[in-house]
Amino acid sequence: QSALTQPASVSGSPGQSITISCTGTSSDVGGYNYVSWYQQHPGKAPKFMIYDVSNRPSGVSNRFSGSKSGNTASLTISGLQAEDEADYYCSSYTSSSTVVFGGGTKLTVL
Amino acid sequence: EVQLVESGGGLVQPGESLRLSCAASGFTFSSYWMHWVRQAPGKGPVWVSRINSDGSSTSYADSVKGRFTISRDNAKNTLYLQMNSLRAEDTAVYYCARGIGYRLPDWGQGTLVTVSS
Repeated sequence: QSALTQPASVSGSPGQSITISCTGTSSDVGGYNYVSWYQQHPGKAPKFMIYDVSNRPSGVSNRFSGSKSGNTASLTISGLQAEDEADYYCSSYTSSSTVVFGGGTKLTVL
Repeated sequence: EVQLVESGGGLVQPGESLRLSCAASGFTFSSYWMHWVRQAPGKGPVWVSRINSDGSSTSYADSVKGRFTISRDNAKNTLYLQMNSLRAEDTAVYYCARGIGYRLPDWGQGTLVTVSS
């Protein structure tokens, strides 16, 4: 199972919005609405930010939103803040009843 | 509060075995699927394995199938990962995660496994 494809890096200024893409296939992202997004700060465990494409767990800021079109899911962060600087990973359920993660995107807040 | 505490990591030589444990608290352990995810230094997470709530069903990534075994003891609120025939490419931080199906809302802090001669 190949990793989902994410851009290696994105950047934005405080207050701006950014979008991170996550591209898979019809056997994972495109086939199921089971895409999740995780935020990871250096030396920390990943934090659950979005599930089932567009749902936010309680406690996650509404500045984070998710969507999907075809085989590509997206995470949008609006009103960028310095604390949003982190690595972001998408994941998806697959037709093999496994989970596949993306390679990760490093977000830099300028 | 959900707490997951991994242990058992360390330095081993190629071909050796290691058993990881994950002690769970703050939730009804026996009601949830559990997963192992690993992350090599500087790389993204990679899903390793999952087990259903009563331990009757398991699933593995192709890269570890036949070498790793996931299990659980619901009486002890503990998840395990038996890792045999370890390879250099198994070097990673290993996280256990509480699963809601294939969603992973809660993760431990991880335990480092280093496979090197």
